[in-house]
Amino acid sequence: QVQLQESGPGLVKPSETLSLTCTVSGGSISSYYWSWIRQPPGKGLEWIGHIYSSGSTNYNPSLKSRVTISADTSKNQVSLKLSSEIVADTAVYYCARMVAGSYYYMDVWGKGTTVTVSS
Amino acid sequence: DIQMTQSPSSLSASVGDRVTITCRASQSISTYLNWYQHKPGKAPRLLIYAASNLQSGVPSRFSGSGSGTDFTLTISSLQPEDFAIYYCQQNYNIPYTFGQGTNVDIK
Repeated sequence: QVQLQESGPGLVKPSETLSLTCTVSGGSISSYYWSWIRQPPGKGLEWIGHIYSSGSTNYNPSLKSRVTISADTSKNQVSLKLSSEIVADTAVYYCARMVAGSYYYMDVWGKGTTVTVSS
Repeated sequence: DIQMTQSPSSLSASVGDRVTITCRASQSISTYLNWYQHKPGKAPRLLIYAASNLQSGVPSRFSGSGSGTDFTLTISSLQPEDFAIYYCQQNYNIPYTFGQGTNVDIK
């Protein structure tokens, strides 16, 4: 059974870069897309972007200038970097596996990691 | 971006009730629509993909329908473990977008 675990610093200062890691266990990251999604306090879910195991990426245009998603197949990990942090980036960050065939859907999610942006 | 609008935003229901949640897209998305269940502190769970396909392991009391711009998630007989927030999500266009959520709580 595939499981995802997000990890990273719980607190980031404004203007710094947030780095999060999603460790995949029980299966390989190969041949799947891997998404990052976030949920600010009291708000809905926002798709940040995704990466295919080969390295191709797509990002939400609203964040594209600040986001980098990468994958390390040797470690079975996917990473998210979000630069120039602002208070509005405070959120629970989730990683999810996305199945892509005739349809696309996120079938396995992590429990999320909380990130607070504050000085 | 495609806007996804759910209604209602919240509802109160009793165990055994039939519950219907609707999701409307700002443009046609064919059947590129998924439904997720989310409980606080837990990982979101995929319920329905491609508008009407039940994800493996999800109870048959959950069903989805619709195409184009209007979609429905139905719980035929609400169970105690179904009290949660439900989200629709389109993957017709990037950026993928979610509805604002429907909070289903106990009456």
